[in-house]
Amino acid sequence: EDQVTQSPEALRLQEGESSSLNCSYTVSGLRGLFWYRQDPGKGPEFLFTLYSAGEEKEKERLKATLTKKESFLHITAPKPEDSATYLCAVQAGGGADGLTFGKGTHLIIQP
Amino acid sequence: EAQVTQNPRYLITVTGKKLTVTCSQNMNHEYMSWYRQDPGLGLRQIYYSMNVEVTDKGDVPEGYKVSRKEKRNFPLILESPSPNQTSLYFCASSLIFQETQYFGPGTRLLVL
Repeated sequence: EDQVTQSPEALRLQEGESSSLNCSYTVSGLRGLFWYRQDPGKGPEFLFTLYSAGEEKEKERLKATLTKKESFLHITAPKPEDSATYLCAVQAGGGADGLTFGKGTHLIIQP
Repeated sequence: EAQVTQNPRYLITVTGKKLTVTCSQNMNHEYMSWYRQDPGLGLRQIYYSMNVEVTDKGDVPEGYKVSRKEKRNFPLILESPSPNQTSLYFCASSLIFQETQYFGPGTRLLVL
């Protein structure tokens, strides 16, 4: 069974204080690993897709990396508008199932 | 604007009263899916559709039905809603299966 574990569950940072969110996964044949951002009461918003170990992608203050067992979402010099819940999801290479999501990391950036 | 829309956004109903939540996408995507999101459980897939007239069960299909008669629409049907179906529901679509999925704004359902 595919499993995704995100840590920490919640993280409070000061504005400008860089940190990383972790996503550990167990999947039979990774097709892709996805990062989404979700604001309260809204649908998940796509951030990144990573397909193979060693791959990295960047967008503004966010950088996602992937190894064979986990992914990190690095946040550099965050601003209050980066506050959100960050969701990690994996898609297995076989079968026709949808995404398997982690429970998310609730990130708060204080001014 | 490329988007996934859902209606209604909020719904309060009573046990046993049939309801339908609509989902529509304007991106000509083949793959569509329904998820529910509950505190402490995260997002879980209910049903998905690979294309018109092709649907299949996800992880939590009990109590739900879907149909895919047109490529752009994928309604979620609760024929006899129960309180344990109170949840936040999301529709998602992707160009093809296993590509990046784009989510709708969500439908918050309360079953009394």
